[in-house]
Amino acid sequence: DTAVSQTPKYLVTQMGNDKSIKCEQNLGHDTMYWYKQDSKKFLKIMFSYNNKELIINETVPNRFSPKSPDKAHLNLHINSLELGDSAVYFCASSPSPGGNTQYFGPGTRLTVL
Amino acid sequence: GQSLEQPSEVTAVEGAIVQINCTYQTSGFYGLSWYQQHDGGAPTFLSYNALDGLEETGRFSSFLSRSDSYGYLLLQELQMKDSASYFCAEARSGTYKYIFGTGTRLKVLA
Repeated sequence: DTAVSQTPKYLVTQMGNDKSIKCEQNLGHDTMYWYKQDSKKFLKIMFSYNNKELIINETVPNRFSPKSPDKAHLNLHINSLELGDSAVYFCASSPSPGGNTQYFGPGTRLTVL
Repeated sequence: GQSLEQPSEVTAVEGAIVQINCTYQTSGFYGLSWYQQHDGGAPTFLSYNALDGLEETGRFSSFLSRSDSYGYLLLQELQMKDSASYFCAEARSGTYKYIFGTGTRLKVLA
């Protein structure tokens, strides 16, 4: 029944490691997003894909690489993790780009030590 | 940086009415959404306004004034479970961008 799911829910890792977060939606939406929420709770968009095509790529270090194998999945790979990458990462989806109603996954809390 | 401004914190008592304001930039503005986020949880959609006026959904209502570049979320008959952070979010035409406000932490006191 889960609409937007993410794995893992928690991720604790050392600086310099590479890690991936996976996201899947079963809502049949065309558009998916990655957001970063920092300790001050600012929600900032990182990437957006529409039907597997990248449509938003905000100023994000190129250590972050999204990948959408199909429109129901959007994964995020992070290379050479840094302390400042510690945050909660949310995946979301909407029926169409720039969707006014977005459905969020439960979030992945990433802690870099 | 953020282009949607909200008060950082609002406190009210159970049963009261509270209004959370949001001001936004007009360039490319398409519509204003509201989300609720409990501590440790994910943002969940509450309402959306594309046109001026009030949209009512149960105890929650959202208002938009395009001429004033301003909107608000109105929460009535406050309950303890309404304690959460509330975010406005702006949809912008032509860019697919979706910008979240700075967020307002609502504390409901018994």
